Amino acid sequence: DIQLTQSPASLSASLGETVSIECLVSEDISNDLAWYQQKSGKSPQLLIYAARRLQDGVPSRFSGSGSGTRYSLKISGLQPEDEAGYFCLQKHKYPWTFGGGTKLELK
Amino acid sequence: QVQLKESGPGLVQPSQTLSLSCTVSGFSLSSYSVHWVRQHSGKSLEWMGRVWSDGHTSYNSAFTSRLSISRDTSKSQVFLKMNSLQTADTGTYYCARSFLSGYWNVMDAWGQGTSVTVSS
Repeated sequence: DIQLTQSPASLSASLGETVSIECLVSEDISNDLAWYQQKSGKSPQLLIYAARRLQDGVPSRFSGSGSGTRYSLKISGLQPEDEAGYFCLQKHKYPWTFGGGTKLELK
Repeated sequence: QVQLKESGPGLVQPSQTLSLSCTVSGFSLSSYSVHWVRQHSGKSLEWMGRVWSDGHTSYNSAFTSRLSISRDTSKSQVFLKMNSLQTADTGTYYCARSFLSGYWNVMDAWGQGTSVTVSS
């Protein structure tokens, strides 16, 4: 199975800051990567697909980048509602696999 | 409005079979695929399998031989059955939809999830 290693596992940042979350993949997945946000007690919400395409309705402060085996999610200008867990997902090969998650806390 | 809603027993005894249903609205099972994903206590997510628009299925090999996913398009429902449950199967089970191919073959709408506890 393709392994996804997310870092950091947890992150504390202040309002207005810019943060990045990284997802390292065990093999080239040709940009078949998505990012999800999961708030406490809620289901995951799609933020980014195809590594860099913003899902409809998602604020433009979220952006995705990367290629090959290294991908990143950037949140520019943190807002209170961004406090959540974030997961990457590869859909290049079965079984689809997720990263271990990053917990973002607002100071 | 796209909606998915899971339902199930909540509590299952060890070695028994789990049966969940996912009722969808706002889209057709003839045009979209539906996936099952589970999560242990807020930790990472695990993709279990999917049913395609033509009824075919794809499974995570970690569950092969004890997992079955099916659908009833007339009722807009997708079903998950998994046997030989163990305590490690405790978690929240989600259904989610995706388009069939290309960029949009990604889970873009999820149900609220249903909690399953495996315990005697």
